[in-house]
Amino acid sequence: DAMVIQNPRYQVTQFGKPVTLSCSQTLNHNVMYWYQQKSSQAPKLLFHYYDKDFNNEADTPDNFQSRRPNTSFCFLDIRSPGLGDAAMYLCATSRGDTNEQFFGPGTRLTVL
Amino acid sequence: AQSVTQLGSHVSVSEGALVLLRCNYSSSVPPYLFWYVQYPNQGLQLLLKYTTGATLVKGINGFEAEFKKSETSFHLTKPSAHMSDAAEYFCAVTLYTGGFKTIFGAGTRLFVKA
Repeated sequence: DAMVIQNPRYQVTQFGKPVTLSCSQTLNHNVMYWYQQKSSQAPKLLFHYYDKDFNNEADTPDNFQSRRPNTSFCFLDIRSPGLGDAAMYLCATSRGDTNEQFFGPGTRLTVL
Repeated sequence: AQSVTQLGSHVSVSEGALVLLRCNYSSSVPPYLFWYVQYPNQGLQLLLKYTTGATLVKGINGFEAEFKKSETSFHLTKPSAHMSDAAEYFCAVTLYTGGFKTIFGAGTRLFVKA
């Protein structure tokens, strides 16, 4: 089945220790998104790739970076995680900006 | 400013009762409208979407929604709630404002009582 895969599902890191979350897709979609979702809140868009074009949201902290080495993979790098970065991180894909987004199961990040 | 408002952060219904989750949007351009469902510790799953055409949209699991332009609403309904419907529901709007952007509502948690 075509899908969006996120690894790991649960990630624990220490305050200030860099961490990378990964997302892969078998849908061959050209758009990939990273969202941050805190408890009982809506997903908040961090950035997205339209093909190779990177689009950063204005309020995304510099601490968050992303890489998309090819169509199938996208990574979220948090350079120096703070306690406030503990959240669920959701990866999503779509075929074009206006279409429905297909979400992965998320990675829950804990910062100690 | 573009926005999405979901009325009621929590809605509780009895099993077999009507489910009504409200969503209103603010937009100066025609929107694309979506409802997603999220179960605990999972990603979001599309329930239904409106892009163009028929304003009454049917989705998965017996849900449907009606786009009412005059009321700027896209409320989600299901005639008879099932215990498995208990989840978080998000309304989302995709707008073109110099580039396409999706805005999510704050979510409504649905509780279903036996």
